[in-house]
Amino acid sequence: DAGITQSPRHKVTETGTPVTLRCHQTENHRYMYWYRQDPGHGLRLIHYSYGVKDTDKGEVSDGYSVSRSKTEDFLLTLESATSSQTSVYFCAISERVTGELFFGEGSRLTVL
Amino acid sequence: EDKVVQSPLSLVVHEGDTVTLNCSYEVTNFRSLLWYKQEKKAPTFLFMLTSSGIEKKSGRLSSILDKKELFSILNITATQTGDSAVYLCAAEYTGNQFYFGTGTSLTVIP
Repeated sequence: DAGITQSPRHKVTETGTPVTLRCHQTENHRYMYWYRQDPGHGLRLIHYSYGVKDTDKGEVSDGYSVSRSKTEDFLLTLESATSSQTSVYFCAISERVTGELFFGEGSRLTVL
Repeated sequence: EDKVVQSPLSLVVHEGDTVTLNCSYEVTNFRSLLWYKQEKKAPTFLFMLTSSGIEKKSGRLSSILDKKELFSILNITATQTGDSAVYLCAAEYTGNQFYFGTGTSLTVIP
């Protein structure tokens, strides 16, 4: 199994509070991704990173920011959480320019 | 607009049946098609297909890609209850990015 750890695994928060999800990898892979998974929508890309300090937006990036200061860590921040951001968030890594994704176990976020 | 569409949305079969799951895609700068299995947690990788007409097999699972007609199929023979899961397909495009379909939910009844 690919060494990907997400934290926290579960979080309940209130509307308007900031939230940071962390993804940590031990595989030294270049590409890292944050997806959200919602019923009827499948997995949708929020942001991705192609190297330290190199990030770009995905299809549902509004309300989210990311940072990658080290190869192994990719942080997803919700500056002011909203109920529409209640979801399961998956981190993924990719080992080469064209290759399969390996997923973390997911972080379930509930915004009340 | 780029998209990946899977069919059927859900499927219920009996153990021993053979199933075919479909994935069609319309993606600019397509590079590869991937299949994943998701059982209540993280998706796990099954296949990556880059060339048309070349079947990939792993045990009772097999998959093939048609780049002319823009679709892929995933076959599962002699289904078992452990095959019950959501099967996701994803189209990779330029820049190592992926569009996912919404998945096919497969339930195998003993």
